[in-house]
Amino acid sequence: EAQVTQNPRYLITVTGKKLTVTCSQNMNHEYMSWYRQDPGLGLRQIYYSMNVEVTDKGDVPEGYKVSRKEKRNFPLILESPSPNQTSLYFCASSFGGLYNEQFFGPGTRLTVL
Amino acid sequence: KQEVTQIPAALSVPEGENLVLNCSFTDSAIYNLQWFRQDPGKGLTSLLLIQSSQREQTSGRLNASLDKSSGRSTLYIAASQPGDSATYLCAPLGAGSYQLTFGKGTKLSVIP
Repeated sequence: EAQVTQNPRYLITVTGKKLTVTCSQNMNHEYMSWYRQDPGLGLRQIYYSMNVEVTDKGDVPEGYKVSRKEKRNFPLILESPSPNQTSLYFCASSFGGLYNEQFFGPGTRLTVL
Repeated sequence: KQEVTQIPAALSVPEGENLVLNCSFTDSAIYNLQWFRQDPGKGLTSLLLIQSSQREQTSGRLNASLDKSSGRSTLYIAASQPGDSATYLCAPLGAGSYQLTFGKGTKLSVIP
């Protein structure tokens, strides 16, 4: 089944404890991205990647890191999480950039205490 | 910077009614526009993708239209069903951009 998977789905952590949220797609998509969704603010892009080893900042990259060493994986790294990073996170991918349909993962609900 | 507005923010209709959801955007230089559906606690599902050269796209009971010059798109849902209850988001892709800009969505409730 063609899909985007994220792990973990739920995570409660404490301030300053490094964490990684994984994202993987099995559709051989070039483009992948990360969003966060907050009440009243909607979906905002954190980082995106046009292909392997090509990443760039979105609208809200502060406090996040990404890497794209393999085409299928695009992990989101929080080196020192803070409470303002409590949010619902989504990974998305698409074939050939943003010109085609975006496929979203199921989301990761992160709480930073 | 592109700004996307979806009105109304919430809508409640009885089952069987036809309805229209609205999306407006400030920068008409777009490459395409997507409509998504989001169920509570879940990810987004792409419903329709309209290229800038198209006026309409249809999928089953859904029809999306695009008027680029006026910065508007509508999503028409025919014969609504309780299973259509969800939040609907639109997202235009700016020409030359590498990111979608999302509206805040319209929360639809279809009452049996």
